Amino acid sequence: AQSVTQLDSHVSVSEGTPVLLRCNYSSSYSPSLFWYVQHPNKGLQLLLKYTSAATLVKGINGFEAEFKKSETSFHLTKPSAHMSDAAEYFCVLNTGFQKLVFGTGTRLLVSP
Amino acid sequence: DTEVTQTPKHLVMGMTNKKSLKCEQHMGHRAMYWYKQKAKKPPELMFVYSYEKLSINESVPSRFSPECPNSSLLNLHLHALQPEDSALYLCASSQGRNAYEQYFGPGTRLTVT
Repeated sequence: AQSVTQLDSHVSVSEGTPVLLRCNYSSSYSPSLFWYVQHPNKGLQLLLKYTSAATLVKGINGFEAEFKKSETSFHLTKPSAHMSDAAEYFCVLNTGFQKLVFGTGTRLLVSP
Repeated sequence: DTEVTQTPKHLVMGMTNKKSLKCEQHMGHRAMYWYKQKAKKPPELMFVYSYEKLSINESVPSRFSPECPNSSLLNLHLHALQPEDSALYLCASSQGRNAYEQYFGPGTRLTVT
C-alpha cells in the first residue's frame, strides 16, 4: 500500500528561525513526491517536486526538500521562516494511477 | 502560466436548488480533477477526467454530476445537496494521465443551507 505520514500536526517557529516539516512515505514503486502549501481559504500551491532526479530538490520561496530512500523520508526545510510562510503544508505521493495520496497536513505557525 | 480558475468563489444554496461550479485551465492539460475538502482535512478526490472522458468516480453520490465540455473546461453540477456537502471544492489539472504534478485552482466555498 502507498501512504504518507506527516509526523507533526502543528509546528511553531519564530520569524527568522529554520523550518523543518517532516514527512515519511511508503511506496512499492519508485515514488513521485510533492509538497503543497495551502493558505487559509485558498487552493493548493505546488512548492516543489521529487521525480527521481536529484535527491535535493529546491522549490519556491526558499523551501527545499531532501529525498532519502533509506529512511523513506521527504522532509521540507527552509533556513529562515517568514511571517507569510504561516499556512498548511501537505506532503503528497503520486500513485501513478491519476491519484494522489495526501498526508494529513502540518500547520506551520510563525510568531514575530 | 500555471493557472486554474474557478467560479464562483463562494456559493450558498438551499437543499432544493440546482447550481453549477465551473473550472477552466489554458495550459493544454488533458486531465482534470474535482476534489472536496472539509475544514482541517486534506482534499478528497471525487472525479477524474482524462482526455475529456470520465476515468475515475470515487463513488460520489449522484447529486454531484461532473461534465467536461472540452479539454479546457470542467463543470460540477449540484442538485439536492445536503448540509454535510458544505466544503471547499477544488479543481485541478495535469498534463496527462499519470502525470506527476497537479495544479490546483483557488476553490469554491460551498455552503448548503
